[in-house]
Amino acid sequence: DTAVSQTPKYLVTQMGNDKSIKCEQNLGHDTMYWYKQDSKKFLKIMFSYNNKELIINETVPNRFSPKSPDKAHLNLHINSLELGDSAVYFCASSQDPKSTDTQYFGPGTRLTVL
Amino acid sequence: GDSVTQMEGPVTLSEEAFLTINCTYTATGYPSLFWYVQYPGEGLQLLLKATKADDKGSNKGFEATYRKETTSFHLEKGSVQVSDSAVYFCALSVNNQGGKLIFGQGTELSVKP
Repeated sequence: DTAVSQTPKYLVTQMGNDKSIKCEQNLGHDTMYWYKQDSKKFLKIMFSYNNKELIINETVPNRFSPKSPDKAHLNLHINSLELGDSAVYFCASSQDPKSTDTQYFGPGTRLTVL
Repeated sequence: GDSVTQMEGPVTLSEEAFLTINCTYTATGYPSLFWYVQYPGEGLQLLLKATKADDKGSNKGFEATYRKETTSFHLEKGSVQVSDSAVYFCALSVNNQGGKLIFGQGTELSVKP
């Protein structure tokens, strides 16, 4: 029933580890996004995919590698985790990558790097 | 570059008070403007939007009007409820930017009974 879902909801790990976050949408949308929300609740886009093709990479370190196996899924893999990666990561989707389109957000994944 | 500035929080109001959260923007071209709301422990959900100048977005008693001359999109509600307690984000999106949303810093609203 959930429109945009993410797993896991919480992720606690040590510095230097590699971890993945999964996102799935059942809205039939063509475009998916990853956003990062820092401890002050500031939100910034990381990536945008349209029809499985990367269309935005917002100067994110290359330790972050998104993968879109199909239009309904957009996963985020993070290598060599650092303390500064601690944040809440939100997945979102929209019908198209148009400025007028509403984006639908998942519940977020809270990543804590120790 | 494109940016959004919101009034700083937290904002604390009594139930049934009038709410205004100010939002101004800077953008090249003609952006679409949004208000998203984040309830505690949840993701963001669209509250309302406006895609061209002078449009008014409205939902659940909240309203905002796209004012091109003052580059503003202030959020208002005539009578807030305890259940409106949340963080409110103003955002913009510009054409040909891959759908990227640029957010303000968020304004936390707390409504007391």
